[in-house]
Order: sequence, then C-alpha cells, then structure tokens
Amino acid sequence: NAGVMQNPRHLVRRRGQEARLRCSPMKGHSHVYWYRQLPEEGLKFMVYLQKENIIDESGMPKERFSAEFPKEGPSILRIQQVVRGDSAAYFCASSPPGKTGGAYEQYFGPGTRLTVT
Amino acid sequence: DQQVKQNSPSLSVQEGRISILNCDYTNSMFDYFLWYKKYPAEGPTFLISISSIKDKNEDGRFTVFLNKSAKHLSLHIVPSQPGDSAVYFCAASDTGQNFVFGPGTRLSVLP
Repeated sequence: NAGVMQNPRHLVRRRGQEARLRCSPMKGHSHVYWYRQLPEEGLKFMVYLQKENIIDESGMPKERFSAEFPKEGPSILRIQQVVRGDSAAYFCASSPPGKTGGAYEQYFGPGTRLTVT
Repeated sequence: DQQVKQNSPSLSVQEGRISILNCDYTNSMFDYFLWYKKYPAEGPTFLISISSIKDKNEDGRFTVFLNKSAKHLSLHIVPSQPGDSAVYFCAASDTGQNFVFGPGTRLSVLP
C-alpha cells in the first residue's frame, strides 16, 4: 500500500538550471497539493491540482514556477532558472475525492530537498 | 501576516505527562483544522482533524479542542511518549482543501 511518492528525494541544481519535482499521489487520490518549506519555517501552500486542472495556484510565485497534473502520470512541479532562494524542501500531498463536508485530510510524501548552488 | 500562529516554538514534557500544543488563527472563515506531526527528513504525518461543528475530537492518546469564539485550538497528547518528540503543525482552511499551516512547535518528551 504505497503512500505518496516523491522523486527525487534530493536534487542539486546550479543557478539558472531547471528543476523538475515529481509526485505520485496515493492510490485513489485525485487531489494533489504542493507545499514549500524554507529552513526553520512552516509549510507554505503553493498550488492545488486535480487531474488536468489547476484549482488554486494562489501560493505559486508568478514567474519561473509551474505545476501540472496530467491525466496519466505524476504531478510535476517545475522551477525554471532556479536561484539560491529556491533552495527548500518541497512537499507534495494528496487527498481523496468526493468527501462531503469535513476536512480533506492530506497525506504527505517524504519531500524533495532542492539545493541550488 | 500569519493567519495561523503557534506561539511556542518549543515545548518539553516529561514522559507520561500531558503535552498541550496550542494554535491560534485570525481568519474567522476557517472551518477545518488539522494537526500534523513531522520528524526530520520526513513528510508531515496526519494526526487528527476537527471541523467547526465540533469542539472536541478524540483519537487514542490525541485529543483536539476547538474554541471558535477565541479562534484557538489545542492538541492534547496523554500520556506523552518519547516517540512523540517531533515538530507539530496545525493547519486551517475555510474550504477543507487549501490549508494554511502554522510555523510548528517542536515537542521534546523527556524519558
């Protein structure tokens, strides 16, 4: 019973390169969320996606960052032209569809630690 | 502008005693609240949730209390165990989907 999978676990990029972070949600989950955690800080919401749709991207920086969740395959968080300030842990979470009322408990992956040198 | 606050960055408790972690929020539209535990180098693990129609939810050693008028919730762990040592995050949402996380409280349970 696999949980939320993220890869790679660690990613090192030089300034100006692209970073691609992948997230496979739990089986049966159709909602995916991306969060960023800077050192010594809490998690900051970035984007919420359902299959082929971006539902809420209010936490995404306006430039260089994009996310997708295609019909087939994992969700991808893409950071173009990375800068040192992008160094952080990026967590993906998933939740099941169709719950009426109550909270959508989100189940987190182990995170991808991005280091920009 | 922090919408979810955890004013104690750290807390130490003796094994077997009660741990009380507090969380305050400013947005009166928040209706759903979650607590997570996080170990170093791992993703957060869901612990317990509560919605605004309740003022208490209990699951084993974990109980969450919600005081909507005070915009305050707390997580009680009793009895505390050394394995509970971790960072605890509270999170709040008005939709049940997009959650705002607090900065976390580091709990140390001393044997």
